[in-house]
Amino acid sequence: DSGVTQTPKHLITATGQRVTLRCSPRSGDLSVYWYQQSLDQGLQFLIHYYNGEERAKGNILERFSAQQFPDLHSELNLSSLELGDSALYFCASSVGGASGANVLTFGAGSRLTVL
Amino acid sequence: AQSVAQPEDQVNVAEGNPLTVKCTYSVSGNPYLFWYVQYPNRGLQFLLKYITGDNLVKGSYGFEAEFNKSQTSFHLKKPSALVSDSALYFCAVRDMETDSWGKFQFGAGTQVVVTP
Repeated sequence: DSGVTQTPKHLITATGQRVTLRCSPRSGDLSVYWYQQSLDQGLQFLIHYYNGEERAKGNILERFSAQQFPDLHSELNLSSLELGDSALYFCASSVGGASGANVLTFGAGSRLTVL
Repeated sequence: AQSVAQPEDQVNVAEGNPLTVKCTYSVSGNPYLFWYVQYPNRGLQFLLKYITGDNLVKGSYGFEAEFNKSQTSFHLKKPSALVSDSALYFCAVRDMETDSWGKFQFGAGTQVVVTP
């Protein structure tokens, strides 16, 4: 157990629907990162939050949004889902701050299947 | 912009033989380099990192990596591979001089297959 908790582990839904993925970071970590892993795109950075504030944005679609709450858990919202959104979504946490030396601790992922 | 390349989609090695997984990077400033491993249906696990100092970095499970600035490489090595080392390996880089709050840039991953 890495200490990063992601729910749900598996999710099957239909095109056009909206889902929310949840992440609880490791105790003491202030940073939360979201990544999308698919077979054709590899591991793609989506967004980074630090202590409730958005700090960096990657290749995140406008249909996707995220936030980090005061208790530091984070949610990734995916709307108007398309078949191509089917992927494994990872949350990672770190102690945070701007230090590049911080190691990311990954959750087990949420596997989204859009039918 | 930062980028990282893993030139091999898959590496096959016999158990007991040396294992090398290649990684090259491109950054504007000084790199922070990482290796992670992913077992099937699991999240990525940290193996080792290079921040500064000794070019040879030792990590978990007997793995080590050598930072080579002139070749902009950070190859992962293990002297004697085990069947249990079969997994997907990712190299990652951060450029701290241009990207203080930014993302870790991950390579595409290299599948390692160790045969008995």
